[in-house]
Amino acid sequence: GENVEQHPSTLSVQEGDSAVIKCTYSDSASNYFPWYKQELGKGPQLIIDIRSNVGEKKDQRIAVTLNKTAKHFSLHITETQPEDSAVYFCAATQARGSTLGRLYFGRGTQLTVWP
Amino acid sequence: NAGVTQTPKFQVLKTGQSMTLQCAQDMNHEYMSWYRQDPGMGLRLIHYSVGAGITDQGEVPNGYNVSRSTTEDFPLRLLSAAPSQTSVYFCASSYTGARFGKLLFGSGTQLSVL
Repeated sequence: GENVEQHPSTLSVQEGDSAVIKCTYSDSASNYFPWYKQELGKGPQLIIDIRSNVGEKKDQRIAVTLNKTAKHFSLHITETQPEDSAVYFCAATQARGSTLGRLYFGRGTQLTVWP
Repeated sequence: NAGVTQTPKFQVLKTGQSMTLQCAQDMNHEYMSWYRQDPGMGLRLIHYSVGAGITDQGEVPNGYNVSRSTTEDFPLRLLSAAPSQTSVYFCASSYTGARFGKLLFGSGTQLSVL
């Protein structure tokens, strides 16, 4: 099956700085890569996703990049704010037709933004 | 309220006991899944379903059973609980078809097996 590795496991930044979280995957057939944010005591929530036919996607302060050749993808958060503090998970799957199939997650990154 | 509803929120079991974790969604999502979350391990897929009557195994299916008799419900059964099954369990659902991808998670069930 797929193996998703995520780094770093913890990340501390000053408010206003940028944060970057990186993930690698093993299965070249994977074609869908979502990112989830989990706040304390809650379930994960999708923040952005990218499909393999796209190299980059942006949504306000959040962007994701995908390098299919190197099999890695990254989450970029600019102008960080204290409310960005949470655990972030990357994931990968070979979407079969139009359904998720098995979605494999990385182990998570605890992001702390200091005011 | 639209969303994924998990019950119970907390449960303590003794080794060997059985129980069912309930999951229901009212969004007519075809895809439903169960994950367990352990410290430092991320989220690991237990079982998933792409529609009523269809289920498949994930990464860590041993010790768990599922069934999908309706679109709305996807219960997870522990037949004989073991301490290794102490974890936080999340149910999640999504559309298939053109809107596939956005997995919506429930609030979780914290299970302790003594």
